[in-house]
Amino acid sequence: AQTVTQSQPEMSVQEAETVTLSCTYDTSENNYYLFWYKQPPSRQMILVIRQEAYKQQNATENRFSVNFQKAAKSFSLKISDSQLGDTAMYFCAFMKWGDSWGKLQFGAGTQVVVTP
Amino acid sequence: GAVVSQHPSRVICKSGTSVKIECRSLDFQATTMFWYRQFPKKSLMLMATSNEGSKATYEQGVEKDKFLINHASLTLSTLTVTSAHPEDSSFYICSAIEGEPPYEQYFGPGTRLTVT
Repeated sequence: AQTVTQSQPEMSVQEAETVTLSCTYDTSENNYYLFWYKQPPSRQMILVIRQEAYKQQNATENRFSVNFQKAAKSFSLKISDSQLGDTAMYFCAFMKWGDSWGKLQFGAGTQVVVTP
Repeated sequence: GAVVSQHPSRVICKSGTSVKIECRSLDFQATTMFWYRQFPKKSLMLMATSNEGSKATYEQGVEKDKFLINHASLTLSTLTVTSAHPEDSSFYICSAIEGEPPYEQYFGPGTRLTVT
């Protein structure tokens, strides 16, 4: 079984600053996907970024980038130039390759608060 | 992007009654749908995987007789909470995947269930 650990319950950051959210996971799988999802106060889950484990290059999506360290089983998210609209709960998630397509194992989440 | 809807968005029911929640993929045919449960300020927990025309696959610890899932078509899955009790009060979220592996996954806006 896989476990996903987010050790930071809450992070506060000022507008325009950078914040990094940590995520570690435990798996015996070699092929898998990792995700960061954002859940704003509306509760709608929004995909922020996706990383394929077989790709060494770290995924980026505009102001969002990840630091994927496969050997260390670490998958952190960096939010640059933080905006008020980034205030949300952020979940790290793991998906196995193969017959478990679509099944996501979520971490506990990190509440990000962006202040003016 | 593709849209997944849920109905109702909020429901209040009395203890002992049953309540049905619908999950629809509005502009695509979903290969598979998933049901998650989210407690306040907590993470999403996968309850079950739903495929059209076949029985749902439940995660360990989820009572299949309590949470009935029917996947009548490629665009509709329903979750029925039977003989609801206050401890069933929660936020229920569905998701649907489409396309080819690793698939694109789309989340519904969620349904808040309150059992009195």
